[in-house]
Amino acid sequence: DTAVSQTPKYLVTQMGNDKSIKCEQNLGHDTMYWYKQDSKKFLKIMFSYNNKELIINETVPNRFSPKSPDKAHLNLHINSLELGDSAVYFCASSQVAGGELFFGEGSRLTVL
Amino acid sequence: QQPVQSPQAVILREGEDAVINCSSSKALYSVHWYRQKHGEAPVFLMILLKGGEQKGHDKISASFNEKKQQSSLYLTASQLSYSGTYFCGTLRRNAGNMLTFGGGTRLMVKP
Repeated sequence: DTAVSQTPKYLVTQMGNDKSIKCEQNLGHDTMYWYKQDSKKFLKIMFSYNNKELIINETVPNRFSPKSPDKAHLNLHINSLELGDSAVYFCASSQVAGGELFFGEGSRLTVL
Repeated sequence: QQPVQSPQAVILREGEDAVINCSSSKALYSVHWYRQKHGEAPVFLMILLKGGEQKGHDKISASFNEKKQQSSLYLTASQLSYSGTYFCGTLRRNAGNMLTFGGGTRLMVKP
């Protein structure tokens, strides 16, 4: 059983489209996150979600929105995709806020 | 604000030692270390919570100097399996739950 799972693993789409990436964790963790890893391997925090409290990195465009239907899921929705959104997006979870991160396998998004 | 890692890249022969440094301009609550192999997700190595704390994990250990806002990762007698990119992540006081990663240090261990 995969602890943190993301779908899809690969996503190729056109500029201007809207897409979603799903994330589920079966670890019973309280906090979930989204990270973006660009072509230079920089890992950038996008969102932290803990007990219905959302913390947003202020540099993230508002085209990106996290949606959490329940504690085990944190989906990422992206509107009006741009070329610069191409990256690998990692979902992660931790038992407590600021604790050890368990990462999903990543979702590689390519915007053409 | 992103912590700064040095060096950016290291090439070692099997059995050699390496040190990776991580420094922040802001006061830190904790420092995490992760390793990412090519095409895979980052994997947790260790977390240091208190100033002066040191931890070990096989032949990989780390220290945290809270006053200097620095952490160092020590790889002793490196093995081929140590190859990958090492990231430090810092959690700042009063900055929410968001772990901010450094730019990474690429480590290659050759036979």
